Amino acid sequence: ETGVTQSPTHLIKTRGQQVTLRCSSQSGHNTVSWYQQALGQGPQFIFQYYREEENGRGNFPPRFSGLQFPNYSSELNVNALELDDSALYLCASGGGASGRPNEQFFGPGTRLTVL
Amino acid sequence: QQQVKQSPQSLIVQKGGISIINCAYENTAFDYFPWYQQFPGKGPALLIAIRPDVSEKKEGRFTISFNKSAKQFSLHIMDSQPGDSATYFCAVGGGSNYKLTFGKGTLLTVNP
Repeated sequence: ETGVTQSPTHLIKTRGQQVTLRCSSQSGHNTVSWYQQALGQGPQFIFQYYREEENGRGNFPPRFSGLQFPNYSSELNVNALELDDSALYLCASGGGASGRPNEQFFGPGTRLTVL
Repeated sequence: QQQVKQSPQSLIVQKGGISIINCAYENTAFDYFPWYQQFPGKGPALLIAIRPDVSEKKEGRFTISFNKSAKQFSLHIMDSQPGDSATYFCAVGGGSNYKLTFGKGTLLTVNP
């Protein structure tokens, strides 16, 4: 069973640019959630996707957007990057065959640095 | 408003000792209480979780104690090992979108 994978591992962008991060869910899961983890802090919920629709959103501006594909992989897009967007971006999958939708499994994250 | 308060911020324990980390929450609608372990440069790994219909859950050296009336839950690590040195996060979940709200984390150091 393959766990949650994310790409790329690291990314450096400049302020104002746009970025796309990718995630492949764990086999059998049908929800995918994205979190932002600033240095020394706990992860903060950005949004969740279920059956390719947004199923809840945290306190993040509209320039954070996402997609879920039929194979349950997902993208996180961030437009007009700001310095404060520098963080570890985590993808988590859950639900589906596990029968326990709250139980979420995280990928290794993408470290985004905005200069 | 901080929905989950985690303490202590850091903890140093000797090998073989007991590590105890505490969390308090506000909203009684929460019905899922997991603990995650995170090593530097890695994503959080689900360690153990509990639902409010039980007061304690044990998996190996890890135990969650849950006090519904006090809106508190804690993680106990028995026989702590240097390999347990990591940052531990409590979280709360519930509702239709299965969102998790995390505490700020506890950096555990187990000295050999």
